Amino acid sequence: KNEVEQSPQNLTAQEGEFITINCSYSVGISALHWLQQHPGGGIVSLFMLSSGKKKHGRLIATINIQEKHSSLHITASHPRDSAVYICAVSSRNTDKLIFGTGTRLQVFP
Amino acid sequence: GAGVSQSPSNKVTEKGKDVELRCDPISGHTALYWYRQSLGQGLEFLIYFQGNSAPDKSGLPSDRFSAERTGGSVSTLTIQRTQQEDSAVYLCASSLRWDEQFFGPGTRLTVL
Repeated sequence: KNEVEQSPQNLTAQEGEFITINCSYSVGISALHWLQQHPGGGIVSLFMLSSGKKKHGRLIATINIQEKHSSLHITASHPRDSAVYICAVSSRNTDKLIFGTGTRLQVFP
Repeated sequence: GAGVSQSPSNKVTEKGKDVELRCDPISGHTALYWYRQSLGQGLEFLIYFQGNSAPDKSGLPSDRFSAERTGGSVSTLTIQRTQQEDSAVYLCASSLRWDEQFFGPGTRLTVL
């Protein structure tokens, strides 16, 4: 079993829909990261969080430390949100990241 | 300001040759990471440098892989006697300690 599990693996949506991507992990962590990777593009850090909730524009990330679970929400989705979203955790005492397998999101107009 | 840069952006080599991949981190970032993303696969950790501490090499897949970080800045990842399974995108990231990581554009390595 992977230390970081994401669901769903693939997700399609119509423009304007509310989107949720889930991440569960099994190790003790110092922080959880949400990353975005566009096709042929680099990786961008969206959020780094260790508790509670963070919001940036139409993106919201939440984490429940007791349940070892995080969600990434996209409100009013847009075709430009189409990308792979990757959950990663940095384990205690080290900054190195352990990655989930990613969620491929396609938003159609 | 300048982000993380990597060179070359693409490298094609023959099986058995050695390759060197370079990473220039963001100035002032004490932590530097190398990751690998194989075709159709997820990201995997290779090696991590933090300040003057001994590097965490726990992700290196074999002794053909090594990395250096000179002067706490530029890093070079070296793969000796390349194999076809080494073909992947090699990503470098840098950060301040316990902070978000900034990724470079990657080097796409193809071993023929």
